[in-house]
Amino acid sequence: AIQMTQSPSSLSASVGDRVTITCRASQGIRNDLGWYQQKPGKAPKLLIYAASSLQSGVPSRFSGSGSGTDFTLTISSLQPEDFATYYCLQDYNYLTFGGGTKVEIK
Amino acid sequence: QVQLQQSGPGLVKPSQTLSLTCAISGDSVSSNSAAWNWIRQSPSRGLEWLGRTYYRSKWYNDYAVSVKSRITINPDTSKNQFSLQLNSVTPEDTAVYYCARFYGEIVGAYFDYWGQGTLVTVSS
Repeated sequence: AIQMTQSPSSLSASVGDRVTITCRASQGIRNDLGWYQQKPGKAPKLLIYAASSLQSGVPSRFSGSGSGTDFTLTISSLQPEDFATYYCLQDYNYLTFGGGTKVEIK
Repeated sequence: QVQLQQSGPGLVKPSQTLSLTCAISGDSVSSNSAAWNWIRQSPSRGLEWLGRTYYRSKWYNDYAVSVKSRITINPDTSKNQFSLQLNSVTPEDTAVYYCARFYGEIVGAYFDYWGQGTLVTVSS
């Protein structure tokens, strides 16, 4: 099974900061990777699919990059509503979530 | 607009079977573009994909290795829903369970619609 290693597991940041979250796959997964945002008590929400495609309605401050084994989610200027937990998900071979990154207020 | 409505008990005894159903509106369980999934979430295990059912000229099921010996996901075309059965549960199976649609396009695939989540507690 493909393992997804996400880092960091948590981070503290201020409004306006640039935030970067990474995900590494245990084997190559082409660009079969998505990023999801989850807030407490809610289901995950799609932000990015196919590694770099922005889901309709998602603010352009979110971007994704990478291919193969290494992927990045970037929030260019953190907003108050962005404090949440972020997960990567590979769908190259079955489905595997990363461990999550909790973005907290500094 | 697709909606997924989950139903099933919130409390299951150890060694018994966990059963949940996900009713679909706005799409078909027999869709050729979607797969219908069960995912769970707990503090200790994070988000864990459990399995899926989908139709591509015939029915397919895929299951996570961690639960493969205990899980069954079945489509019900007459009611446009799908179900999860997890046998021989232990307290480690305590989690919030979600059903979700995984939609595939040429440009990519993703989870776009989720059920409301069901907290299932395994306890005597």
